[in-house]
Amino acid sequence: EPEVTQTPSHQVTQMGQEVILRCVPISNHLYFYWYRQILGQKVEFLVSFYNNEISEKSEIFDDQFSVERPDGSNFTLKIRSTKLEDSAMYFCAIFARVHSSYGYTFGSGTRLTVV
Amino acid sequence: KNEVEQSPQNLTAQEGEFITINCSYSVGISALHWLQQHPGGGIVSLFMLSSGKKKHGRLIATINIQEKHSSLHITASHPRDSAVYICATNSGGSNYKLTFGKGTLLTVNP
Repeated sequence: EPEVTQTPSHQVTQMGQEVILRCVPISNHLYFYWYRQILGQKVEFLVSFYNNEISEKSEIFDDQFSVERPDGSNFTLKIRSTKLEDSAMYFCAIFARVHSSYGYTFGSGTRLTVV
Repeated sequence: KNEVEQSPQNLTAQEGEFITINCSYSVGISALHWLQQHPGGGIVSLFMLSSGKKKHGRLIATINIQEKHSSLHITASHPRDSAVYICATNSGGSNYKLTFGKGTLLTVNP
């Protein structure tokens, strides 16, 4: 069973609409993250969670974005009033103990296209 | 602010060749990660290094903390190694969040 399950894999939305991206990580992670990758660019940090609270937000993570943990197991990233420049691949990721050491595991990504 | 630079940006090799991808960073870090991104977009962690060298199959990763430099080597390259290889660093104290390089697009021809 995958350690990080991300849905949907693709999302097309009209400009101005709201989208919700979802991620279900394994329960024993240390940190949880949302990252995004605009086509052709570097992966960028958006926000991190530690102990059920936001631990850090990037300057990209403005009022248009919000993140929640609605039921204690999954995380959502909400993007309000989407803009064309929000089109990107959005990844969730965890930093967790893997076998005898710590490491990163990424979700498979959600490709968001704003039209 | 840490800057992560990779070279080369693009690399084309023939099957069987030895591949080296380089990464340099500007400030002290607690760990460096090598990641692989396939055309579909998914990212897989290959190595997490804080010192020395690690090996997994045909992949070898090294890091020189003093020189702020890391290399990823692929021995006996194969077309299935074709992917984007990304170097990323974390500074430990800052939530272990990653700062990414732009990636190196590797194409291995049969």
